[in-house]
Amino acid sequence: QKEVEQDPGPLSVPEGAIVSLNCTYSNSAFQYFMWYRQYSRKGPELLMYTYSSGNKEDGRFTAQVDKSSKYISLFIRDSQPSDSATYLCAMLEQDYKLSFGAGTTVTVRA
Amino acid sequence: EPEVTQTPSHQVTQMGQEVILRCVPISNHLYFYWYRQILGQKVEFLVSFYNNEISEKSEIFDDQFSVERPDGSNFTLKIRSTKLEDSAMYFCASSEAWGIGQPQHFGDGTRLSIL
Repeated sequence: QKEVEQDPGPLSVPEGAIVSLNCTYSNSAFQYFMWYRQYSRKGPELLMYTYSSGNKEDGRFTAQVDKSSKYISLFIRDSQPSDSATYLCAMLEQDYKLSFGAGTTVTVRA
Repeated sequence: EPEVTQTPSHQVTQMGQEVILRCVPISNHLYFYWYRQILGQKVEFLVSFYNNEISEKSEIFDDQFSVERPDGSNFTLKIRSTKLEDSAMYFCASSEAWGIGQPQHFGDGTRLSIL
């Protein structure tokens, strides 16, 4: 079983729609959860991070963590064409090694 | 906003040659990392570095790999004798510390092509 599984996509949504991205994990030692955005030919850019179950909101982005179900989500409200990118979930134990999902490519159509 | 910078953006090397990838982490950061992403695959952890020594390394990071902080600003990854399977994007990252509230910030990567 892979440690971090991410919905593969790709996703194509109209401008203004809500984008929902999901990851599951098997390692209950994961304590910290991050979402990165990666544009083509660029490095991962940190969007959100959290370490507790529940919701965390930052502008149009909401990160949701359910540790009991080992499930995390990222919601993008009022999506824009500039949100078109690959989104990576990433997780951390009490160490230095980020474990990434495979990424979901999102296209927001104008 | 401060950023991690990596050079070169693209490196082409003959198999068996040595290659050095360079990174300038964010200036007040203390922890440094290398990751790689083979085309079409996940981003994978290679190594973390703190206080001039390796903190953790993955099984990928074998004796062909080494890291160094030669001065106060640069952080390098050296591959001694490159193989075809070393072809990948290599990302450098840095953080102020590890743990809660100190996420890792990534550079834009070096594309390494082994011929």
